[in-house]
Amino acid sequence: KAGVTQTPRYLIKTRGQQVTLSCSPISGHRSVSWYQQTPGQGLQFLFEYFSETQRNKGNFPGRFSGRQFSNSRSEMNVSTLELGDSALYLCASSLATGISNTGELFFGEGSRLTVL
Amino acid sequence: GENVEQHPSTLSVQEGDSAVIKCTYSDSASNYFPWYKQELGKGPQLIIDIRSNVGEKKDQRIAVTLNKTAKHFSLHITETQPEDSAVYFCALHPDRGSTLGRLYFGRGTQLTVWP
Repeated sequence: KAGVTQTPRYLIKTRGQQVTLSCSPISGHRSVSWYQQTPGQGLQFLFEYFSETQRNKGNFPGRFSGRQFSNSRSEMNVSTLELGDSALYLCASSLATGISNTGELFFGEGSRLTVL
Repeated sequence: GENVEQHPSTLSVQEGDSAVIKCTYSDSASNYFPWYKQELGKGPQLIIDIRSNVGEKKDQRIAVTLNKTAKHFSLHITETQPEDSAVYFCALHPDRGSTLGRLYFGRGTQLTVWP
């Protein structure tokens, strides 16, 4: 069974540009969450999608956005990139469906973004 | 948001020794406490989890204990091996006001096991 797939794995952008990251969840998983990982802030929750609807959003500026498609694949976009956006962006999928039903989060290997 | 304190930030042990990592939290309504292991260049992987109605859970060399009164939970690794070297994260899911995909993570512990 294939795991969570994130593309691209590495990318370099310059300030002011925008970037789109893609995530394919494990087959059958309908919940997708995104996290930002940096040495300074650790793992920070960005947003969560279920059945194409954003169910939760972390404390990030509006430059960070995402969406989920009918096949559960998800993308996140960061516009007007800043140096501080350099980070490992992790996507996680889950089989759990209920609001209060926690299930294991399966993480991808991440997309490492460097902003110059 | 929920605050999760994790200690120590680095831990070095000799192969065969035990390692203990501790996390404290503030929201007493938290109900799910997973531990993740992140190896270099990879995403975090769940190694063990515990729910609020259980005090201890064990899986081979790994165990987790939960003290809801004191609001702390710990990861215990016995008979450590070099392949246990990685960054370990504690996390929790607050029961109120959060959806299932949102976990709050500790800052991580870099465990190094020397042969």
